Amino acid sequence: GAVVSQHPSRVICKSGTSVKIECRSLDFQATTMFWYRQFPKQSLMLMATSNEGSKATYEQGVEKDKFLINHASLTLSTLTVTSAHPEDSSFYICSARPRFLLRDRVNYGYTFGSGTRLTVV
Amino acid sequence: QQQVKQSPQSLIVQKGGISIINCAYENTAFDYFPWYQQFPGKGPALLIAIRPDVSEKKEGRFTISFNKSAKQFSLHIMDSQPGDSATYFCAASLILTGGGNKLTFGTGTQLKVEL
Repeated sequence: GAVVSQHPSRVICKSGTSVKIECRSLDFQATTMFWYRQFPKQSLMLMATSNEGSKATYEQGVEKDKFLINHASLTLSTLTVTSAHPEDSSFYICSARPRFLLRDRVNYGYTFGSGTRLTVV
Repeated sequence: QQQVKQSPQSLIVQKGGISIINCAYENTAFDYFPWYQQFPGKGPALLIAIRPDVSEKKEGRFTISFNKSAKQFSLHIMDSQPGDSATYFCAASLILTGGGNKLTFGTGTQLKVEL
């Protein structure tokens, strides 16, 4: 259980265009989803926390108008990179947390998607 | 206070050896400490996790040792195999104080297991 699907896995877009990345929890409901950005050989940097039915909470330094997050249902959150530029090229990863805690008391969710490699040319 | 420090940055171990990765945290309110394994081009996968009310947890070849007083925890990989070659991240969170608390990640350790 607790599978998170992220799509697309790779995308190449032209500078100035927008790209949408989807994150779906396949077998559980997720009231909270997290979006991360990861540069090569670096750690995951939290960009924002999205809560179903409300506005996302962005981390300091992350442009909310550039990285639009929508969490319209308990199984889907989307990240849209607007007016993409080459410096937005990165590996984007989502994570979802179950609405209800799993039976295993130390497996509290935070299941990650497989990531999206964005290249802006 | 939210920082999690991880070492070493990279590690080379011979097949069959023990890989040890260490993490230290500052926020004593953290109550959930997971370790993640990440292969190139993939998202992190939960490897093993521990709560601060126990000092050790073992799952197969993977063991977490937790020292609450020192605010340190470590991952031991016994009988390391080439398939274990990946990047490992420790993390910490305030899991029980709210429904959506974020994970604070360490900086990562690139492990290479040589034949």
